[in-house]
Amino acid sequence: LAKTTQPISMDSYEGQEVNITCSHNNIATNDYITWYQQFPSQGPRFIIQGYKTKVTNEVASLFIPADRKSSTLSLPRVSLSDTAVYYCLVGYDDKIIFGKGTRLHILP
Amino acid sequence: DAGVTQSPTHLIKTRGQHVTLRCSPISGHKSVSWYQQVLGQGPQFIFQYYEKEERGRGNFPDRFSARQFPNYSSELNVNALLLGDSALYLCASSETGPYGYTFGSGTRLTVV
Repeated sequence: LAKTTQPISMDSYEGQEVNITCSHNNIATNDYITWYQQFPSQGPRFIIQGYKTKVTNEVASLFIPADRKSSTLSLPRVSLSDTAVYYCLVGYDDKIIFGKGTRLHILP
Repeated sequence: DAGVTQSPTHLIKTRGQHVTLRCSPISGHKSVSWYQQVLGQGPQFIFQYYEKEERGRGNFPDRFSARQFPNYSSELNVNALLLGDSALYLCASSETGPYGYTFGSGTRLTVV
């Protein structure tokens, strides 16, 4: 299973764009890249998933370079409610392994 | 549509006791996975079930067991509880393929 590496924590301010990068050097051909958000005492919530290039939905964008060895989650115009832990996962239809995640703290 | 539902939401048990946690997946989801999340850590994989068959097992002792029923609901059982088993237990369901998992809100287990 591909291992992921993310920054342990990040701070940003309301209204800013936040980019969280995840490295996954040994990603397999079949693997997809998925990001989850988790608030305290809640289950993780699916944010976005992609295989290559760029994916965008109503809450985030996911940028994946051609070699797929890293990915960047982009959160536009964050608010205080985006303060949470963000997990990058790599896999396909199999047990998904969580790393330590990135604790994002949004400041007013 | 109901999401992934877990019961109970909170539970207090004494060391040495047994506990059963329950999970109902989203309708149509045949895969169910269980995770343990200790405070301040990421969720740790315990089991994955698909069509009632175990498809994956994490690094947990044999005190942990699970099963999946014909309606795809699942139970996680933990025997001989230890203080270190205190955690948030999460259940997630998914369709087959890379569609991402939907997690329940978890069961908060406290062992005293």
